[in-house]
Amino acid sequence: DIQMTQSPSSLSASVGDRVTITCRASQSISRYLNWYQQRPGKAPKLLIYAASSLQSGVPSRFSGSGSGTDFTLTISSLQPEDFGTYFCQETYDTPPYSFGQGTKLEIK
Amino acid sequence: QVQLVQSGAEVKKPGSSVNVSCKASGGTFNSYTVTWVRQAPGQGLEWMGRITPLFGTADFAQKFQGRVTITAGESTRIAYMELSSLRSDDTAVYYCATGDIAAAGHYYYMDVWGKGTMVTVSS
Repeated sequence: DIQMTQSPSSLSASVGDRVTITCRASQSISRYLNWYQQRPGKAPKLLIYAASSLQSGVPSRFSGSGSGTDFTLTISSLQPEDFGTYFCQETYDTPPYSFGQGTKLEIK
Repeated sequence: QVQLVQSGAEVKKPGSSVNVSCKASGGTFNSYTVTWVRQAPGQGLEWMGRITPLFGTADFAQKFQGRVTITAGESTRIAYMELSSLRSDDTAVYYCATGDIAAAGHYYYMDVWGKGTMVTVSS
C-alpha cells in the first residue's frame, strides 16, 4: 500500500498569512493526488484534484502543486473560514487510495 | 448536482452487521462512482471501497475484504454499505461520496459527500 505523510501535523497562522501544507507519497503517484478540507463535525470538501486542478466553487487562494512523490497545498492569503483539517489522498492505480493523517489548521 | 442523504445513526453489538444507505437526491448514480470512507472518533479518513454502477464494478481496501459489501439498487438511486463481524474499532462515522466519471476523466475524486452516519459498536 502507498503511504501518505503530511507535514506539519498542525499549525497556527494569522489572517492574511501564506500557508503551505506538504504531502509525501511512499512511491511515485504521478499527479493522482487530491486535497480535502474538513471542518469540525462536517464532511470533507474537495479542494484540489489531479494535484493542481481547482475544484469548481473553491476560492482561488487555494492552489496545489507537485508530481511524483512530493505535493503542496498553498493558501495564498489565509481567511478566517479556512480553519479545519486538511487531508491529501492518493488515487494512483489500485486501492486502498490512502489519505494522509491530516493537518490541523488553526487561525491565530 | 446530486445530493446524498444517508441513513441514521446505528448502535450495534460486536459480531453483528450494519447496513448504511446513501440516497441520491436530484439524480441517480448512473454516471458516478459511489465511495465509502470512514472516520473513527478523533482520527483521520479511511477509504473502504467504491462501486461504479455504470460498469457494475466494485473494489475494496484489502483490510475490509470479506467483511464489506457495497451495492447500488433501486434504479441506482440508493447505494448500500454493509459491514459484518463488527468490532469496537469499527465505531466511526461512515461517509458516502460520489464523483462524476465523465468529469473526472482518468482521475478519481469525491466531490459530493453525504453528512455521515455514526455507527457505534458496543456490548
